[in-house]
Formats: sequence, structure tokens, C-alpha cells
Amino acid sequence: DSGVTQTPKHLITATGQRVTLRCSPRSGDLSVYWYQQSLDQGLQFLIQYYNGEERAKGNILERFSAQQFPDLHSELNLSSLELGDSALYFCASSVGSGGGNEQFFGPGTRLTVL
Amino acid sequence: GENVEQHPSTLSVQEGDSAVIKCTYSDSASNYFPWYKQELGKRPQLIIDIRSNVGEKKDQRIAVTLNKTAKHFSLHITETQPEDSAVYFCAASIQGGGNKLTFGTGTQLKVEL
Repeated sequence: DSGVTQTPKHLITATGQRVTLRCSPRSGDLSVYWYQQSLDQGLQFLIQYYNGEERAKGNILERFSAQQFPDLHSELNLSSLELGDSALYFCASSVGSGGGNEQFFGPGTRLTVL
Repeated sequence: GENVEQHPSTLSVQEGDSAVIKCTYSDSASNYFPWYKQELGKRPQLIIDIRSNVGEKKDQRIAVTLNKTAKHFSLHITETQPEDSAVYFCAASIQGGGNKLTFGTGTQLKVEL
């Protein structure tokens, strides 16, 4: 157990819908990261927050947005869902924000878009 | 941006043999190279990492080597056991601008009895 929690574990929804994935970092960690893992794209970095502020951005779609709240938990919002958004979404956390900070991954949320 | 290539995509070894997985990266500004192990349907777990000021690091049966000049790093697992069977990912992080990890495409390691 990494100490990073994610809810829900599974999510099944239809195309065009909107969902929210939630992540709580390890105690003491200020950075939260979101990654998408799909069969054809592998593990892809989406976005990083540090202490409530956006720190780095990857190839995150405009239909996706995220935020980190004052209690440091983070939410990833996915809207206008398409079949291709079906994937495992991982949250990770680290103490600091810079390169070289060890990232610890949560158990993931498996999203299925039908 | 950074690009990480990983080889081989699948690797089958006999129990007790060694396994080597190789990665190359493109951006010379990368300075942190973790390796993750992922079992089916589970989260990636950090097994070892190396920073650019170190050439080699060892932890029991696992070692990682880094060649900054050639921009490649490798994972070595000795005395493999069936529980080592999993997908292994290498990754690289560029200095500055956050802590984004760019992952390789993964190596499916199978340790056969």
C-alpha cells in the first residue's frame, strides 16, 4: 500500500458523459500527478499540481481538467467522454515538486466508456 | 520533449537466470531515472531509481546502470524468481519544470520454472 488513495476503483459510463476521479496523496506529500494508462498509449503524464498550483502539464485533452484543493486532495474531471478515453487513470504523489522526487502511485481508477 | 525507448518489449528467462532491460532517453537535461514494476491490474511500484550524478546503484538482486554520454540506462535483475514476472517500466524526469515522468513502453518479463 503506497498511502495514495483513489476513488472510485471502477467507473462505467456512456459516451458524452462527464466523470470525476478523486485522489488523496500520501500524508505529507504536496505534489499530485495524474497519469493515463491505455494499451495503445502506455503510461502518459497528464498534469501535476503542487500545493494547489498547477506545476506541469502534459498532453492533457481540453475536455479534461484537474484541480488540487486546500486539503491537497485532487480531482480529475473528464467530460464529453469518448470510447478512446477508456483507460486506467493513476494518481501519484511526492513530497516536492521538482525533478527527482520519488512518485508513489495509487491503485488507479479503471474507466470504461461504452 | 523527452522521449524514452525501452527494449525488449517481452523477455522470457529461466528461474535463476539474469534479466536485463535497456532504455534510452533523448533529452540530456534528464537527471532522474526510476524503474517501476507493474503486476497485472495493479499500480506501478517503484523498485529502484538512479540520479545523473551516479553511474550505478544496487539493491539486493536489482541493479541499475546509467551512461550519461550514451544517454542510456539499464535494469539488471539477478537470480530471477517467478515473483519477478511483471511488466517493468523505465522513466525519465527532466530537471526543472516540475517532475513529469516520461515512461518507456514497458517490458513484459516472464520467469519460467
